[in-house]
Amino acid sequence: GENVEQHPSTLSVQEGDSAVIKCTYSDSASNYFPWYKQELGKGSQLIIDIRSNVGEKKDQRIAVTLNKTAKHFSLHITETQPEDSAVYFCAASVYNQGGKLIFGQGTELSVKP
Amino acid sequence: KAGVTQTPRYLIKTRGQQVTLSCSPISGHRSVSWYQQTPGQGLQFLFEYFSETQRNKGNFPGRFSGRQFSNSRSEMNVSTLELGDSALYLCASRPRQGNDYEQYFGPGTRLTVT
Repeated sequence: GENVEQHPSTLSVQEGDSAVIKCTYSDSASNYFPWYKQELGKGSQLIIDIRSNVGEKKDQRIAVTLNKTAKHFSLHITETQPEDSAVYFCAASVYNQGGKLIFGQGTELSVKP
Repeated sequence: KAGVTQTPRYLIKTRGQQVTLSCSPISGHRSVSWYQQTPGQGLQFLFEYFSETQRNKGNFPGRFSGRQFSNSRSEMNVSTLELGDSALYLCASRPRQGNDYEQYFGPGTRLTVT
């Protein structure tokens, strides 16, 4: 069945360092891959997404890469700041089922000042 | 534009009872999806509604049901509550069906079953 695996489950970095979170999906029909940042009391915010016809997308300090052959995508955060501390979720959806996101288990990122 | 709103934010129920949660999507959004978030299972898809019709369904028992109204507001209902139904229930809206639109999440309803 559909499955998304996310690693690591926790990640601690020093302020200014980079953080990388990796996800692997099982359904080769998946073609949309969003990343969400979840903070207590603030809900889940879409921070970046990528579609299967693109290999990489960047938005300031955040980038996502996609390897369709390996069914693998990653979130890269550079120059981390304490306000980046949150739980990050990757997700995947299959073509024409965009309302159904399959989520990874989440990564708790802690950025130490 | 106001974001996705969910009511109530917190709820405590007893085993065997039923509960109804409400979600108001962003104005103009017609698709609403529901998710259950628990520490053990993570975020799991419940169902999606578009134009008052259920378009997709996850692997949850029939005790979980939903509906959507003509103004796109959605409700989900859980009957005969079990302890394992304790979770954060999230709804998300997007403009329409298809695969090209990102989902915007509400803050969630925290349900505790005792």
